[in-house]
Amino acid sequence: NAGVMQNPRHLVRRRGQEARLRCSPMKGHSHVYWYRQLPEEGLKFMVYLQKENIIDESGMPKERFSAEFPKEGPSILRIQQVVRGDSAAYFCASSPTDPWTGEENGYTFGSGTRLTVV
Amino acid sequence: GQNIDQPTEMTATEGAIVQINCTYQTSGFNGLFWYQQHAGEAPTFLSYNVLDGLEEKGRFSSFLSRSKGYSYLLLKELQMKDSASYLCAPWGDSWGKFQFGAGTQVVVTP
Repeated sequence: NAGVMQNPRHLVRRRGQEARLRCSPMKGHSHVYWYRQLPEEGLKFMVYLQKENIIDESGMPKERFSAEFPKEGPSILRIQQVVRGDSAAYFCASSPTDPWTGEENGYTFGSGTRLTVV
Repeated sequence: GQNIDQPTEMTATEGAIVQINCTYQTSGFNGLFWYQQHAGEAPTFLSYNVLDGLEEKGRFSSFLSRSKGYSYLLLKELQMKDSASYLCAPWGDSWGKFQFGAGTQVVVTP
């Protein structure tokens, strides 16, 4: 049973380019969450999505950032016109239900995408 | 909103015991998670407490006091592989929107 799959693991972009980060949830999971982790800081919630719906985007910056979770395919976190301050590790988590009901893999993280903006 | 406070770093020797404290303030409360994160890797689930008291799982135990807004993670018989960051994450009134503490970096020395 594959876990949460994120790709790419590492992404380098020049200032002004676009970054696309992908997340495929665990099999059987229909809820996806994105987090950002800056160096030496904790995980910061960005957005919570279900298939074709954004449930909570209160942690998303107002500009340049968007997220989707289409009916088919992975969830995508898109960052337009990247700046150096966007350099961070972006983690995706998935869960099968809302809310968690006690299963061990109830809220599972992927290995993250490390974005470097040069 | 949520406030989460845990120590930045703790050092202990192999075989010893370390207790990582976490205090929190949340809007509503539905439980508290602890995760382990090795450098450059995904956070992995360790424990979940919803009722007051101690939950034991092998070498790791987690304690919760809801009235005090306090939890701790106890690591026993420390091993070198336990060197990692430990993240406290209370679940407030919004599922999925966890606010993690900055993490406690545990350094295990020989």
